[in-house]
Amino acid sequence: QQQVKQSPQSLIVQKGGISIINCAYENTAFDYFPWYQQFPGKGPALLIAIRPDVSEKKEGRFTISFNKSAKQFSLHIMDSQPGDSATYFCAAIKGYSGAGSYQLTFGKGTKLSVIP
Amino acid sequence: GAGVSQSPSNKVTEKGKDVELRCDPISGHTALYWYRQSLGQGLEFLIYFQGNSAPDKSGLPSDRFSAERTGGSVSTLTIQRTQQEDSAVYLCASSLGAGRSYEQYFGPGTRLTVT
Repeated sequence: QQQVKQSPQSLIVQKGGISIINCAYENTAFDYFPWYQQFPGKGPALLIAIRPDVSEKKEGRFTISFNKSAKQFSLHIMDSQPGDSATYFCAAIKGYSGAGSYQLTFGKGTKLSVIP
Repeated sequence: GAGVSQSPSNKVTEKGKDVELRCDPISGHTALYWYRQSLGQGLEFLIYFQGNSAPDKSGLPSDRFSAERTGGSVSTLTIQRTQQEDSAVYLCASSLGAGRSYEQYFGPGTRLTVT
């Protein structure tokens, strides 16, 4: 059972455009939703994260939108740059509010290419 | 400061051989996690350590896989009698503690190729 579904698998965006990656989850016990950015040959790097009691979080050009009732969340990259070209993973975990699981559950990833 | 380090960065081994993968977490991080990343399966959780104890080994795929952690720091993931399906990138992550499991920081990974 895939608990976090991510789409699209790949995305090509023009420089300066908006990149949008979507995720949906099934387990309502999840209480923290991080996004990771991974460049080839590197490990995933924590990019931005949100809790379900917040509908939006913005850090620089990166914004997470969260829809608790729909069990969906998305990453928006504004003014996308070639340096943003990487694979992005959404994840979920039950562990922010007290004891829970210790394992991150990841989406399958989205390969973003930003073309000049 | 220094991040999570892993060694070796690449390992090629013959089917049936044993391999050891090493992880050095961020200084001060008491919780440590191993994940496996493969094309078909994405990122999969393997095992979690709090200090030297492994309360969650639920992700280890078979009894050929084992892990230990000593001194609350370095961890070693051992795969015995490697199989071709073990080929993947093995990632280690650490967090400040079990209470901060939601903020895991990953190392660069070890790419294992079983021929």
